[in-house]
Amino acid sequence: EPEVTQTPSHQVTQMGQEVILRCVPISNHLYFYWYRQILGQKVEFLVSFYNNEISEKSEIFDDQFSVERPDGSNFTLKIRSTKLEDSAMYFCASSVGAPSYNEQFFGPGTRLTVL
Amino acid sequence: GNSVTQMEGPVTLSEEAFLTINCTYTATGYPSLFWYVQYPGEGLQLLLKATKADDKGSNKGFEATYRKETTSFHLEKGSVQVSDSAVYFCALNPKETSGSRLTFGEGTQLTVNP
Repeated sequence: EPEVTQTPSHQVTQMGQEVILRCVPISNHLYFYWYRQILGQKVEFLVSFYNNEISEKSEIFDDQFSVERPDGSNFTLKIRSTKLEDSAMYFCASSVGAPSYNEQFFGPGTRLTVL
Repeated sequence: GNSVTQMEGPVTLSEEAFLTINCTYTATGYPSLFWYVQYPGEGLQLLLKATKADDKGSNKGFEATYRKETTSFHLEKGSVQVSDSAVYFCALNPKETSGSRLTFGEGTQLTVNP
């Protein structure tokens, strides 16, 4: 069964460093998303991406964050200068069609630890 | 804005016990409602969904009914198994807007003991 994959499973970085989290969505999916979950808190939406551009972003997704689909298979989330409060589990998701009516399939997550 | 509130966990049950995990929501219009499950070391998986009032979603013995009058979508299972141990998330998607985002509840950790 097709699945969303994410690498690495755990990333440790120093405050101020740039990190790139990688995701491979399901191959025929057209919509891509990033969510995060700070330990003990809710899963929060960050951004959605369709047709090579951001279709919606939350107030969390500020100028420190960017997303890219550099080739036909990968979808990346970059944090330019990490802060302690960026420590969280980051989930990638994808859907075959418009999110209002199509299931979002989630990856296993990348745990980001900022020291 | 939209929000989802789940009963506080964790929940610990014995095998074959009845399960209820409460979920209430706040949203404008008529959102779609979901239950996602996260097994240890895995991503979020859709368990069931309902897209309009009075719809009942069901899967793997779990059920939830979309109740607009009480703005609720409680998850139930008549007889839980050890393999049901996981974290359960209630979520909504506001169909009327661009609808990209899922809004999640806090998650409820369920542990089923043999």
